[in-house]
Amino acid sequence: AQSVTQPDIHITVSEGASLELRCNYSYGATPYLFWYVQSPGQGLQLLLKYFSGDTLVQGIKGFEAEFKRSQSSFNLRKPSVHWSDAAEYFCAVGRGAQKLVFGQGTRLTINP
Amino acid sequence: DSGVTQTPKHLITATGQRVTLRCSPRSGDLSVYWYQQSLDQGLQFLIQYYNGEERAKGNILERFSAQQFPDLHSELNLSSLELGDSALYFCASSVAGYIGETQYFGPGTRLLVL
Repeated sequence: AQSVTQPDIHITVSEGASLELRCNYSYGATPYLFWYVQSPGQGLQLLLKYFSGDTLVQGIKGFEAEFKRSQSSFNLRKPSVHWSDAAEYFCAVGRGAQKLVFGQGTRLTINP
Repeated sequence: DSGVTQTPKHLITATGQRVTLRCSPRSGDLSVYWYQQSLDQGLQFLIQYYNGEERAKGNILERFSAQQFPDLHSELNLSSLELGDSALYFCASSVAGYIGETQYFGPGTRLLVL
């Protein structure tokens, strides 16, 4: 069965520091991969997505993610975080007629 | 603002009751999705509609039902409510309902069953 694992439930980083959020998936074939962000009291917003081609994907708000087929990973990165990046981040996968499967989320806290 | 609206924002009801959650998709989007977000289950896909027809079904209980109307708004009906149904219910919409499309999420309806 398809599954998504976000190993880190909660991460705290200092403002200006770099960030990497991990996502590993289990799927029969390479799925479509997504990162969504959920700010407090808000719905989810798409940060970026990957289908094929260049394995380094650029998204909104200065985020990027790298697809590594050999590791079944799609980690999200940002070189320098801002206080406004504090939110919950969800990795999701899906393919064809299959529904999107979301990870459990990683809550990001930013220290001033 | 994603352009997806959901009403009501909050709903408090009692066990055994029935509620209806409403969603209006972004202008031009034909597909609507419903998700449930709870602490123990995380974010789970419930059901998808495309232009009035059911397209995909996820972990939706038999006590729950949904429909999409000709004007493309959608309603999620939850009946015989149980304490465990307390959750945040999101609606999302996309243009044509393909997996690779961006889904635009509404702000959610927070349901509390007492």
